[in-house]
Amino acid sequence: SQKIEQNSEALNIQEGKTATLTCNYTNYSPAYLQWYRQDPGRGPVFLLLIRENEKEKRKERLKVTFDTTLKQSLFHITASQPADSATYLCALVGNAGGTSYGKLTFGQGTILTVHP
Amino acid sequence: GAVVSQHPSWVICKSGTSVKIECRSLDFQATTMFWYRQFPKQSLMLMATSNEGSKATYEQGVEKDKFLINHASLTLSTLTVTSAHPEDSSFYICRSSGQFFGPGTRLTVL
Repeated sequence: SQKIEQNSEALNIQEGKTATLTCNYTNYSPAYLQWYRQDPGRGPVFLLLIRENEKEKRKERLKVTFDTTLKQSLFHITASQPADSATYLCALVGNAGGTSYGKLTFGQGTILTVHP
Repeated sequence: GAVVSQHPSWVICKSGTSVKIECRSLDFQATTMFWYRQFPKQSLMLMATSNEGSKATYEQGVEKDKFLINHASLTLSTLTVTSAHPEDSSFYICRSSGQFFGPGTRLTVL
């Protein structure tokens, strides 16, 4: 069956360090992979999208990589700050999912805490 | 960017009552809306896909007679939880056909 796993349920790092979050998937052929940030009691906020033919995407302090051979995406936050503390979700859109931003399937999320 | 709103942001109701949650796209037309449910410390689970002017498509295991979805206009989709029970208590979130989520509605059924 299809599975999306975010390896760490929680990640604690020191301010200024780089946070690296992992998203692995099995039995899936995603057209896109997206990363979202979710704060407690709030809806997810879109951060980055990477397509299956892209290796890397950057946006300010964020970097996403996508390895379709390893079936893995890495999400990096450089120079992390306490304000980056949140739950980060990866989501896949399959090739058979219809529209470009169609059915998203989410990983269970990683709770990131950045300590001052 | 596009904005999606939800109302109410939270609701407490008695078991057996029905609750309606509204999802509005404020500055764009959304032909498709997605409804998710999220239990504490769990990820978002897609419940149904709402299409303007047609019937919603429900995911496996989601009771369509219990979770009524109406998408009567390009800016409004509603989810009605009928005869709510404590196990329906959850965080309900809508998403437009882009990547924009609403802020969510916390439902607590006593």
